[in-house]
Amino acid sequence: GAVVSQHPSRVICKSGTSVKIECRSLDFQATTMFWYRQFPKQSLMLMATSNEGSKATYEQGVEKDKFLINHASLTLSTLTVTSAHPEDSSFYICSAVRGSGAIEAFFGQGTRLTVV
Amino acid sequence: AQSVAQPEDQVNVAEGNPLTVKCTYSVSGNPYLFWYVQYPNRGLQFLLKYITGDNLVKGSYGFEAEFNKSQTSFHLKKPSALVSDSALYFCAVRDANTNAGKSTFGDGTTLTVKP
Repeated sequence: GAVVSQHPSRVICKSGTSVKIECRSLDFQATTMFWYRQFPKQSLMLMATSNEGSKATYEQGVEKDKFLINHASLTLSTLTVTSAHPEDSSFYICSAVRGSGAIEAFFGQGTRLTVV
Repeated sequence: AQSVAQPEDQVNVAEGNPLTVKCTYSVSGNPYLFWYVQYPNRGLQFLLKYITGDNLVKGSYGFEAEFNKSQTSFHLKKPSALVSDSALYFCAVRDANTNAGKSTFGDGTTLTVKP
């Protein structure tokens, strides 16, 4: 099966600093990756769609300058939370698809971000 | 537009009993339907999907789901629940013509299986 690895699994950072989360497709080339945010006991909210070599497409209400997404290669997308604040604390999950006609997406393990 | 509803926040069953986690959906075109399970502080694990073909879909860990087009439902079932099945379950739907990452997720149902 397809494996998506997310790193780190947990991170604690100070308010005002930036933190980078990586999402890697380990055994396939991911033409598109997706970033979600999940609040406790809630569903996944799509934040942005990341295509290799182009700018990410952000969902309505998501601050693109706050959540920087880079998809520099077919196996790696990064989400950088800039100038983090406590309200950014959440569980962030990525997923990846292989090819435009892919039926399903494969999910990473998630990253628990805590901003103190 | 597409949407999915999981009407139960919580489902409690005794170990060994059958379980059902409900899901209904709305989509303008042909639906692709998915079930995922999430354990605490972990990502989503794929259980099963319906794309086309048989309405009864069998998936991982003994789970199955039945696609019912007339009732627009895709309920998750297991004949005999295990304590280790206790987790958060998400149903997801997308229109067959949309990108695989554009699924809409339900709010999740917490399944608790008691010994």
